[in-house]
Amino acid sequence: DVKVTQSSRYLVKRTGEKVFLECVQDMDHENMFWYRQDPGLGLRLIYFSYDVKMKEKGDIPEGYSVSREKKERFSLILESASTNQTSMYLCVVSGTEAFFGQGTRLTVV
Amino acid sequence: AQSVTQLGSHVSVSEGALVLLRCNYSSSVPPYLFWYVQYPNQGLQLLLKYTTGATLVKGINGFEAEFKKSETSFHLTKPSAHMSDAAEYFCAVSPFSGGYNKLIFGAGTRLAVHP
Repeated sequence: DVKVTQSSRYLVKRTGEKVFLECVQDMDHENMFWYRQDPGLGLRLIYFSYDVKMKEKGDIPEGYSVSREKKERFSLILESASTNQTSMYLCVVSGTEAFFGQGTRLTVV
Repeated sequence: AQSVTQLGSHVSVSEGALVLLRCNYSSSVPPYLFWYVQYPNQGLQLLLKYTTGATLVKGINGFEAEFKKSETSFHLTKPSAHMSDAAEYFCAVSPFSGGYNKLIFGAGTRLAVHP
């Protein structure tokens, strides 16, 4: 199985801070995704990437950006964190099946 | 755009009763279909998936789902609920039949099992 590692399990940030969420895979898969999970809304796609330096907007990209400089690493950036970005963030790597990171619970105060 | 609808955000059953969690999708071509389960404070775990072939798919823990193209449905069932089945269940589709791609999730159904 692919190991998907997210840099932090829990984060608390202040409104207006720039926040970086990192995701690293230990295989060579092209497809990497960032989702946020909220009660009653399921998992919603923020951004995804099919290759190095390639990115595509998902369903809710506003307030976020991403970076993929190396194939194994996909970063989600909150340019100026807001309280409505308090959520669980999940990184997913997709090859012949999907592999999930453990999630980062971000609280913006 | 592709979408997934899970009917019922909360379902409650008695232990030993039939579990039926409903999922409908919208897609112009038959997608790949998945059910995931999330136990409290844990990550998502794949229950079962449909890609091609037999439309009745068996998964882990006694769950199964049937792909019905005419109804665009992929309902999840289990003949007899167990207390340990209490969790949140997510239906998902992958819209490209040529290979796995982005997953589109439903809003989830929280299953409660009472004695």
